Amino acid sequence: AQSVTQPDIHITVSEGASLELRCNYSYGATPYLFWYVQSPGQGLQLLLKYFSGDTLVQGIKGFEAEFKRSQSSFNLRKPSVHWSDAAEYFCAVGASANQAGTALIFGKGTTLSVSS
Amino acid sequence: DTGVSQNPRHKITKRGQNVTFRCDPISEHNRLYWYRQTLGQGPEFLTYFQNEAQLEKSRLLSDRFSAERPKGSFSTLEIQRTEQGDSAMYLCASSKRTGENTEAFFGQGTRLTVV
Repeated sequence: AQSVTQPDIHITVSEGASLELRCNYSYGATPYLFWYVQSPGQGLQLLLKYFSGDTLVQGIKGFEAEFKRSQSSFNLRKPSVHWSDAAEYFCAVGASANQAGTALIFGKGTTLSVSS
Repeated sequence: DTGVSQNPRHKITKRGQNVTFRCDPISEHNRLYWYRQTLGQGPEFLTYFQNEAQLEKSRLLSDRFSAERPKGSFSTLEIQRTEQGDSAMYLCASSKRTGENTEAFFGQGTRLTVV
């Protein structure tokens, strides 16, 4: 069965420091991988996605993620965190678009706090 | 393009009452999804439409939950005989089927509180 694991429930990073949020997935075929961010009271905003090709993908707000098939990982990184990055981050895996019932399977999320 | 719109944003209801939520997807999107998010968890997939056809509904939590998308545009999610365990954020998302692109755009959600 498809699943997503985000091992870190809560991470605190100093403003200006680098960030890496971990994501491991379990999926039998080529996965479609996503990172979403959710601020309090808000919906989910897509940060970046991986469908195929270059395993290092760039997203919005200076985020990037690297797909490593051998490690079943899709970790999110940012070189310098801003206070406005404090939010909940969700990794998700999706099935192929050719299958009916395409849906996203989400991890439980990682809450990012930014200290000054 | 005004994004995915959900109404109401908040709903407080008494246990046993029926509630209905509405989702208006992005206009050119033919796929529409409903998710439920409880505190401290990621969104959980409930059901999915392609145009007006409900292609996946086995993940609906019980027979008290139902969804419709009668004209392939907006959708409604109804919960009958609400229970306290139904308290959650209900999220709607839509996407456009373009090749292999399954990028989904989410609305801000409807927060349900059952008292």
